[in-house]
Amino acid sequence: RKEVEQDPGPFNVPEGATVAFNCTYSNSASQSFFWYRQDCRKEPKLLMSVYSSGNEDGRFTAQLNRASQYISLLIRDSKLSDSATYLCVVNDAGNMLTFGGGTRLMVKP
Amino acid sequence: GAGVSQSPSNKVTEKGKDVELRCDPISGHTALYWYRQSLGQGLEFLIYFQGNSAPDKSGLPSDRFSAERTGGSVSTLTIQRTQQEDSAVYLCASSFLGFRGGELQETQYFGPGTRLLVL
Repeated sequence: RKEVEQDPGPFNVPEGATVAFNCTYSNSASQSFFWYRQDCRKEPKLLMSVYSSGNEDGRFTAQLNRASQYISLLIRDSKLSDSATYLCVVNDAGNMLTFGGGTRLMVKP
Repeated sequence: GAGVSQSPSNKVTEKGKDVELRCDPISGHTALYWYRQSLGQGLEFLIYFQGNSAPDKSGLPSDRFSAERTGGSVSTLTIQRTQQEDSAVYLCASSFLGFRGGELQETQYFGPGTRLLVL
């Protein structure tokens, strides 16, 4: 079983749609959580950290459920420019980041 | 401000040759990570440095791979006797530990990567 699991997609959604991705992690001692965005043939870029209380940044909302060991990312009012791969990243107690395989999002006009 | 830089950006080499990849982290970042990403694949952890020491080398795929970091700054990843399966994008990231949203978190920032092609 992978330590961090994501549905690889692709998620094909129309512009303006709301889309949500989930990510599950296996290490209950994990301490920090992030969503990164990776465009095709580019390096990953930090999209947002995921805080215990949940957090929102514009059209993006991230939530953490420690009891069930999953993280979610919600994107409202999808834009064409949101098309990318979204990587769920978990920082375990050993201070090492573990990446999920990524969820590919394609926003269509 | 200056981000993480890597060189070369692209490298084409022949099977059996050695290659050296360089990473310049963000100034002041104490931790430095190396990952590789094969075509269409996720990120594979290779090694990380805290200062100049590497507490976790478990991700290095074989003894042909080695890495060092000097002065708590620049790091080099060396691949000896390259094989075709070594072809990938090699990404470096540096990180800092700080408070974000009231929580202590380590945040990694990635360089643009080195695209290695072994013929």
